[in-house]
Amino acid sequence: AQSVTQPDIHITVSEGASLELRCNYSYGATPYLFWYVQSPGQGLQLLLKYFSGDTLVQGIKGFEAEFKRSQSSFNLRKPSVHWSDAAEYFCAVAYNTNAGKSTFGDGTTLTVKP
Amino acid sequence: DSGVTQTPKHLITATGQRVTLRCSPRSGDLSVYWYQQSLDQGLQFLIQYYNGEERAKGNILERFSAQQFPDLHSELNLSSLELGDSALYFCASSVTTGSNEKLFFGSGTQLSVL
Repeated sequence: AQSVTQPDIHITVSEGASLELRCNYSYGATPYLFWYVQSPGQGLQLLLKYFSGDTLVQGIKGFEAEFKRSQSSFNLRKPSVHWSDAAEYFCAVAYNTNAGKSTFGDGTTLTVKP
Repeated sequence: DSGVTQTPKHLITATGQRVTLRCSPRSGDLSVYWYQQSLDQGLQFLIQYYNGEERAKGNILERFSAQQFPDLHSELNLSSLELGDSALYFCASSVTTGSNEKLFFGSGTQLSVL
């Protein structure tokens, strides 16, 4: 069965600083990987996904993620964080392109300092 | 706004009771997923319906059931409620383009069992 680990429960960065959120997955075959963001009181919103091809994927809101098969990782990055990026971020893995049955990580809460 | 509507937003009830959560998918979306988000279990897939029929089951308890109606709205029924059922329950509808599925989440129903 697939599993997802987000090692950092909580991260604090200053506004304007760069951000990297870590995600490690465990899955025997080619994974389908997703990053979602959840703002307070809201549902999850898809930031980006990786199915195949270029290992560096671009998403919405200036986010990108890099798939590294050798490290079983799919880390999310943003070069300059804005206060509005404060939210909870979830990494998810699926065994096919049907995103609905994904296994989700426990989430990383991002706090942005002014 | 994702276009997915969940009611009620908050629900407070007592142990042993039964509640019904409602989800209206985006117009035209045939697939509805239900998820439970709790502090100890994280975000878990419960069940999927597609065009009125159950398509997939995840970690759904026998005390829980769901259905999807001809107008495509869905209801999640939770019975014999326990304290541990307190959680945020999300639904999501999806659109599939080619082989890629994209989820749209509602803002959730916060269930508190006292």
